[in-house]
Amino acid sequence: GEDVEQSLFLSVREGDSSVINCTYTDSSSTYLYWYKQEPGAGLQLLTYIFSNMDMKQDQRLTVLLNKKDKHLSLRIADTQTGDSAIYFCAEWEETGANNLFFGTGTRLTVIP
Amino acid sequence: AAGVIQSPRHLIKEKRETATLKCYPIPRHDTVYWYQQGPGQDPQFLISFYEKMQSDKGSIPDRFSAQQFSDYHSELNMSSLELGDSALYFCASSSTDQSFKAFFGQGTRLTVV
Repeated sequence: GEDVEQSLFLSVREGDSSVINCTYTDSSSTYLYWYKQEPGAGLQLLTYIFSNMDMKQDQRLTVLLNKKDKHLSLRIADTQTGDSAIYFCAEWEETGANNLFFGTGTRLTVIP
Repeated sequence: AAGVIQSPRHLIKEKRETATLKCYPIPRHDTVYWYQQGPGQDPQFLISFYEKMQSDKGSIPDRFSAQQFSDYHSELNMSSLELGDSALYFCASSSTDQSFKAFFGQGTRLTVV
C-alpha cells in the first residue's frame, strides 16, 4: 500500500530557505503535491508536480522530484513568518484509487 | 474565486448522537472527497463520489454514510457517534478534466463529548 513519510518538525530563521522532504513508496504515483495547513484551517494546495518532471518552480516555491529514490522536496525561498504551518506531501495515482494519500506532515516554524 | 464550502464549521455532539456534515464543491466540479483528520494526524480518506455515484471507499466506518446530490453537494452522515470520531472532516472537490487537482474546504471540526 501507499506510504508517505515526512520529518515532523523543521525550524528556520526568517529570510533563510526552508527545505521540506518527503519519501513515498508507491512507484506508480502519477502526481505529487504539497499542501499547506495553517492552524485550524483547511488544506491549501500549494503546488504539484507530474511524475515525469524533475523540477517545478513557482515564485518562492521549488519542487524537486527524484523518482528513482522516490524522494520529493519543497524548497521555500526567503521564508517568512507567514509560512509557519504544517506542510503535507501527498501522492495520487491516476490508474489506482482516485484519492490522495497524505504524508504525516511537517510542522515548519519560522523564527523572526 | 469560489472555493469548497463546508458547513457547519464547528459541531459539538454527544456520544450516540447523529451528525450531518455538508459540502458544496467548487462550481462545475463533479467529484467530491471526504477526509478525516484526527488530532495531530494526517488526513485519511473516507469516501468519494463522482457524478452522484460512489467512486471509491476508504476507511469509512459502517456507522457513517454519505451521498452526493443532483446539485453535486455532498453530505456525510455519522450515526452512533463515539468519542474517537472527534476530528476535522475535510471535503475536497475536483473536476473531470483535472481530476488530479483536488481543492479542499476549510473543514468541519466535530467534537463528540
